[in-house]
Amino acid sequence: DGGITQSPKYLFRKEGQNVTLSCEQNLNHDAMYWYRQDPGQGLRLIYYSQIVNDFQKGDIAEGYSVSREKKESFPLTVTSAQKNPTAFYLCASSIDRQGRNTEAFFGQGTRLTVV
Amino acid sequence: AQKVTQAQTEISVVEKEDVTLDCVYETRDTTYYLFWYKQPPSGELVFLIRRNSFDEQNEISGRYSWNFQKSTSSFNFTITASQVVDSAVYFCALSEGNYGQNFVFGPGTRLSVLP
Repeated sequence: DGGITQSPKYLFRKEGQNVTLSCEQNLNHDAMYWYRQDPGQGLRLIYYSQIVNDFQKGDIAEGYSVSREKKESFPLTVTSAQKNPTAFYLCASSIDRQGRNTEAFFGQGTRLTVV
Repeated sequence: AQKVTQAQTEISVVEKEDVTLDCVYETRDTTYYLFWYKQPPSGELVFLIRRNSFDEQNEISGRYSWNFQKSTSSFNFTITASQVVDSAVYFCALSEGNYGQNFVFGPGTRLSVLP
């Protein structure tokens, strides 16, 4: 079945460690996104990518990095520079091959906790 | 700049009551798209509806209905005869332009339907 797969579902990070969250989609979507959600809050955009090898900072990019080497994959690295990384991270994709605007499809999320 | 406001932080209703979730948006584009998503306790965002700026027809899908009014920049969502399974956080979102390269989400409304 087509969709977006995020892994792992739960992730624990020690202080000062970098961790990478995986996001893979088989929807043939061009655009992919990473959002952060804090308890009781809405979604805030970290990074987005419209095509392979190109990505743009969102509202809260500091302390995060991404890559887009393949259309299907958009991994997010939470670096040690991110001082408060404990949150729920959601990956999404949108836009089909014809370039028509579509809704964003979301993965099931990764819950990151600093220990 | 685009912005989405959901003034109702939390709403509680008793099962079978009707409930309306408000959404007000701001955009300078004449072409834009509005969305509603549901986030159940599992965390994944579930797409409910997409509406483009040129289509002000109201839509009904089962117990769900949406009222889009460009004159007041509002895109409200009504659940008729609410059920306990409707309990979730509901997000309104906006994307601008023909290809909707970026989504902006409102802060969400937490709906609790009590038996």
